[in-house]
Amino acid sequence: GNSVTQMEGPVTLSEEAFLTINCTYTATGYPSLFWYVQYPGEGLQLLLKATKADDKGSNKGFEATYRKETTSFHLEKGSVQVSDSAVYFCALSPPGTYKYIFGTGTRLKVLA
Amino acid sequence: GAVVSQHPSWVICKSGTSVKIECRSLDFQATTMFWYRQFPKQSLMLMATSNEGSKATYEQGVEKDKFLINHASLTLSTLTVTSAHPEDSSFYICSARDRQDNSPLHFGNGTRLTVT
Repeated sequence: GNSVTQMEGPVTLSEEAFLTINCTYTATGYPSLFWYVQYPGEGLQLLLKATKADDKGSNKGFEATYRKETTSFHLEKGSVQVSDSAVYFCALSPPGTYKYIFGTGTRLKVLA
Repeated sequence: GAVVSQHPSWVICKSGTSVKIECRSLDFQATTMFWYRQFPKQSLMLMATSNEGSKATYEQGVEKDKFLINHASLTLSTLTVTSAHPEDSSFYICSARDRQDNSPLHFGNGTRLTVT
């Protein structure tokens, strides 16, 4: 079946530190991959996406590369800010469907 | 960008009553909307897929008689929690797909339901 595995949090970093949040997936075919961010008390906002192998999604300094060989889509940012504190969800959408499968989410806390 | 509006953002109700949550696509038409439930500190669980003009498709383990979904137009889907109980307290989030393109799902800001 299809599934997404994310590293457990919480992740606590100092401002300007480097961020990596690991995400691996299991799927048949070539799913689309996404990172969503959820701020406290809010819904989900799309952060970035990739639809095929070797695609790199990027937005607001965050990046993730679709790695078919390792079935991974790790999220990275070179220098985090306090405002990046949120919960980050990795998700996949199997080919031909709009059903999204989410990972358990990783809470990030950035300290000033 | 595409906006999905969810209303209310929070609601408190008594056990045994019913609560309706609305999900609207404000600037696009959505033939398909999805309803998710999120437990504290957990991921989103897909409850059902709402299709305009037809019956919703429920995920395994979700009671369709308890969680009534209506998708009467291309811009509105509603989720009604019937005879609510404290265990129904949760964060409910809807999402919608723009029928015009293959963009990712757009999510509402969620509804916090507390059943007392």
